[in-house]
Amino acid sequence: DTGVSQDPRHKITKRGQNVTFRCDPISEHNRLYWYRQTLGQGPEFLTYFQNEAQLEKSRLLSDRFSAERPKGSFSTLEIQRTEQGDSAMYLCASSLTGGHTEAFFGQGTRLTVV
Amino acid sequence: AQKITQTQPGMFVQEKEAVTLDCTYDTSDPSYGLFWYKQPSSGEMIFLIYQGSYDQQNATEGRYSLNFQKARKSANLVISASQLGDSAMYFCAMREGGGQGGSEKLVFGKGMKLTVNP
Repeated sequence: DTGVSQDPRHKITKRGQNVTFRCDPISEHNRLYWYRQTLGQGPEFLTYFQNEAQLEKSRLLSDRFSAERPKGSFSTLEIQRTEQGDSAMYLCASSLTGGHTEAFFGQGTRLTVV
Repeated sequence: AQKITQTQPGMFVQEKEAVTLDCTYDTSDPSYGLFWYKQPSSGEMIFLIYQGSYDQQNATEGRYSLNFQKARKSANLVISASQLGDSAMYFCAMREGGGQGGSEKLVFGKGMKLTVNP
């Protein structure tokens, strides 16, 4: 499968625990994005990388959230001290550089904080 | 200010009929791109069609076409000959700045649910 892969697909965690999600983009794509989607809403931008550089972060990305993309390949999104409000679908997408290129999305990681 | 507006919460269409999904947008940037994505119940966002702000012609991709009315700031998606598999959430999105030094993020609307009846 050469699409965007996310792991795990589902995660249930207790409030206050840390969680980490992984995203493997399409191999030749140098851009990688993280979005969050809550029920009944469209995806909201969190952050994006070009290669290993994190170039933009949303104000939604509080200091409990951190994202990395070492070596410009896969990326991880960590949430520390999870809160119930963090429950959402976390979507990863990747794209090529340049102009108006579409982003290809993974199937997402659904996080439930109990 | 809301940048992407999708006012139809849900629509129903008969199989094989055409359907139009509405999207209006707001931007002061002369260079932008408009995208439509489909999200079935499995959760994956599937790219459907793209329209650039400077494109002279409306975009088409198979059964999908985009009715781009720049002056009205609307980018409606037209699906011809609906199929049962078209039942899903549909999201309109915009990227500003033309990818040249501008933000790379996509801003999405709230989406609308399309149900195709047999």
